[in-house]
Amino acid sequence: EIVLTQSPGTLSLSPGERATLSCRASQSVSSSYLAWYQQKPGQAPRLLIYGVSSRATGIPDRFSGSGSGTDFTLTISRLEPEDFAVYYCQQYDNSPLTFGGGTKVEI
Amino acid sequence: QVQLQESGPGLVKPSETLSLTCTVSGGSINSYYWSWIRQPPGKGLEWIGYIFYSGSTSYNPSLKSRVTISVDRSNNQFSLRVSSVTAADTAVYYCARRSGSYPFDPWGQGTLVTVSS
Repeated sequence: EIVLTQSPGTLSLSPGERATLSCRASQSVSSSYLAWYQQKPGQAPRLLIYGVSSRATGIPDRFSGSGSGTDFTLTISRLEPEDFAVYYCQQYDNSPLTFGGGTKVEI
Repeated sequence: QVQLQESGPGLVKPSETLSLTCTVSGGSINSYYWSWIRQPPGKGLEWIGYIFYSGSTSYNPSLKSRVTISVDRSNNQFSLRVSSVTAADTAVYYCARRSGSYPFDPWGQGTLVTVSS
């Protein structure tokens, strides 16, 4: 099983600042099948990034993904008020499919 | 656009079987993988398993002995059964679609299932 470790657990920032979220895998995600989701309270997760760096439909370009192998990053270039939420990385390369523990981005 | 909606009992007694259905609207259930994911209150996400439209399945080993996912193509639905539930199975259960190299998208809104006597 590929274990995904996200850091930090909580990120305290202000609107307009840059957010950098990390996701480290216990073994290589060989097919670049790494995704990022945003979840707000009481809502289902929303797909932001797939294939490490491709934005899903309708996702603003302030969200970007990068990385390879075992180290991946989600960057939010300038935080908007609606971006304060919990973010999860997920690998969909190997079964069982696994999620990281999440990073909460708070004001 | 495709929409998914979970349905089923919100309360299940310990040792009984949890049963949920996901109805797919706005598109066909054919040619995709259909998954169940759960999230205990205040915790992270756990993939339960998926079914291909043809009926082949894959389950998380942590739950495999208790889980069955089935598909009803005539009604554009797929279902989840979890047997011998305990309080640890209390969670919001989501259904979601996956296709080829694309991850979970879209998701249903989720349904809370509480295991309690």
